[in-house]
Amino acid sequence: DAGVTQSPTHLIKTRGQQVTLRCSPISGHKSVSWYQQVLGQGPQFIFQYYEKEERGRGNFPDRFSARQFPNYSSELNVNALLLGDSALYLCASRTYPPGELFFGEGSRLTVL
Amino acid sequence: AQSVTQLDSQVPVFEEAPVELRCNYSSSVSVYLFWYVQYPNQGLQLLLKYLSGSTLVKGINGFEAEFNKSQTSFHLRKPSVHISDTAEYFCAVSDTFGNEKLTFGTGTRLTIIP
Repeated sequence: DAGVTQSPTHLIKTRGQQVTLRCSPISGHKSVSWYQQVLGQGPQFIFQYYEKEERGRGNFPDRFSARQFPNYSSELNVNALLLGDSALYLCASRTYPPGELFFGEGSRLTVL
Repeated sequence: AQSVTQLDSQVPVFEEAPVELRCNYSSSVSVYLFWYVQYPNQGLQLLLKYLSGSTLVKGINGFEAEFNKSQTSFHLRKPSVHISDTAEYFCAVSDTFGNEKLTFGTGTRLTIIP
C-alpha cells in the first residue's frame, strides 16, 4: 500500500513568491495535518483538516492556508514567501477516530 | 500549553553499546507521549507511544521507553545499538489522543560509532 505522498519533493522560490504543496494521504485516511520543520528543529504544527474542514491551526501567520479536497488530498499554500519559510514541510494522515499518525517524506522548500 | 525538552542534541554511541535518549515534558493536563525517528532525507516514523496503562512501552527496532509521571520524563532506551540506528530522534506530546497537534522536541541526533 502506498504511504503518504507529497509533491514536489524539492523546490526553490524567491522572496515574495507563492508556493503550493500537495499531499495525498494513505487510502482510507480522512484526516490530514501539516507540519513545518526548520533545519535543526522539531516539526511544528501548522494545520489539521478532516472531512474538508479545518480542525486545528498552529501559530502561523495568515500567509499560510490549506484546504482538503473530497478525495481527502490536501494542499498547503504559502503567500509572500520570506527567507524564514525555508523548511521541510511534512504532511501526515491518520484515520479518524485517531490512530497512528503517518508522515510523508516532505517537501523541502528553499526561499532565496 | 505543552513543551518538550530533549536534553541532548547529539549522542555518539559505540556499536552494540546501550543508549538512552532523554525527554522531559511540561503540561498542565494529562498527556500522551511519542517517540519518532527520522532517517536522512525521510519523513518521521513512529517508534513507540504511551497512551495509558503500563509505564514501560516497547516499540519497533528493539526500542523501549518508560513513562515517569513524577519526573515528567519519557526516556528512550535500547540495550544494544546498530549502525542502522543512526538517525534523528524526536520526542513528542499531545494533550489528548485525537488532538492532531503534536508538540515536538528539538531532536537528538544519534550517531553510532563502529
